[in-house]
Amino acid sequence: ETGVTQTPRHLVMGMTNKKSLKCEQHLGHNAMYWYKQSAKKPLELMFVYSLEERVENNSVPSRFSPECPNSSHLFLHLHTLQPEDSALYLCASSQDAPSGANVLTFGAGSRLTVL
Amino acid sequence: AQRVTQPEKLLSVFKGAPVELKCNYSYSGSPELFWYVQYSRQRLQLLLRHISRESIKGFTADLNKGETSFHLKKPFAQEEDSAMYYCALDGKLTFGQGTILTVHP
Repeated sequence: ETGVTQTPRHLVMGMTNKKSLKCEQHLGHNAMYWYKQSAKKPLELMFVYSLEERVENNSVPSRFSPECPNSSHLFLHLHTLQPEDSALYLCASSQDAPSGANVLTFGAGSRLTVL
Repeated sequence: AQRVTQPEKLLSVFKGAPVELKCNYSYSGSPELFWYVQYSRQRLQLLLRHISRESIKGFTADLNKGETSFHLKKPFAQEEDSAMYYCALDGKLTFGQGTILTVHP
């Protein structure tokens, strides 16, 4: 599959569970992003990785832990989440490191529900 | 701090009518602005960016630095334009809250 692929598409977890979201891009891009999309808030940037190095961490709680083992894969590890963390988590990638003229390609998202 | 404001959460027009989706921004440097669109059951995708100065699907957007605005316009709306539209700023993309556009037949 081409583009940005996110798995799983839907995830339901309890507050004590540990799970991970996976993102894979087949575009040869060098930067990858995690965004959170909640019902009542704008899209919120969580993390940015450029060439596997984290370049942005927007005051995200430590219960969200990103991992970027290579430029094609990005994970978001989840543990002891709260119900308010329920949201659509979007992964995106861009050709170059974050800069003014970057165009992002988005995945379809992982819908997370925390019970 | 950079910020993007889309004042209209919902916008409804009839087919063939002009449409304008408003976007205002706050940014200390020279801004790079984008419009992204999300059609029903599809991914968020780029519609246009101001640096390209192009018209996509009949939409245009002009950067007005004096008014710090980047409004999206189309002279004759079509039903297939119904979607969620996001204005975004800068390379890491600060997004506005989005405007749901509904074009009625």
